[in-house]
Amino acid sequence: EAQVTQNPRYLITVTGKKLTVTCSQNMNHEYMSWYRQDPGLGLRQIYYSMNVEVTDKGDVPEGYKVSRKEKRNFPLILESPSPNQTSLYFCASSFMGAQDTGELFFGEGSRLTVL
Amino acid sequence: AQSVTQLGSHVSVSEGALVLLRCNYSSSVPPYLFWYVQYPNQGLQLLLKYTSAATLVKGINGFEAEFKKSETSFHLTKPSAHMSDAAEYFCAVSDGGATNKLIFGTGTLLAVQP
Repeated sequence: EAQVTQNPRYLITVTGKKLTVTCSQNMNHEYMSWYRQDPGLGLRQIYYSMNVEVTDKGDVPEGYKVSRKEKRNFPLILESPSPNQTSLYFCASSFMGAQDTGELFFGEGSRLTVL
Repeated sequence: AQSVTQLGSHVSVSEGALVLLRCNYSSSVPPYLFWYVQYPNQGLQLLLKYTSAATLVKGINGFEAEFKKSETSFHLTKPSAHMSDAAEYFCAVSDGGATNKLIFGTGTLLAVQP
């Protein structure tokens, strides 16, 4: 089954304790991206990657890191989480290319609470 | 720069009534437009997409949307609401293969009253 898998789905942590949210897709997509969803703000892009070893900042990258060592994986790293990073996080992927529309396939989401 | 505006953060309809969720976009290039739905505690699921093939787009669960370039709109409709349609709906715009970036609206929460 084609899917984007995120882990953990729920996490409560404390300020300053490093954490990683993993994301894996099995559709051989070149493009992967992280979004955060906050009430009244919709989804905002954190980072994206157009291929292995190619990553770039989205609209709200502060406090986050990513890596793309393999095509299928795109982990999101919070080196020193703060309460303003409490949010619902989504990983998404898609094909890339002139014929593609940008349609994204989403994971189930990871709800993070930073105390 | 591309953007989308969803008018109405909350919409409430009666079961069986018409559903109309509004979306206006801004784009300097021919856009690709999407509607996604998010059910409680779930990820986003594609409802339908406009890719310039036809201005009236039909999606899943009886939803459809019409691309109107003159009005820069892509409103989502369904003739008869079901209780199961209660969810949050997001409109999004992309420039496709150039950057693949999807820009989302702030969402509309649809409530369906019995």
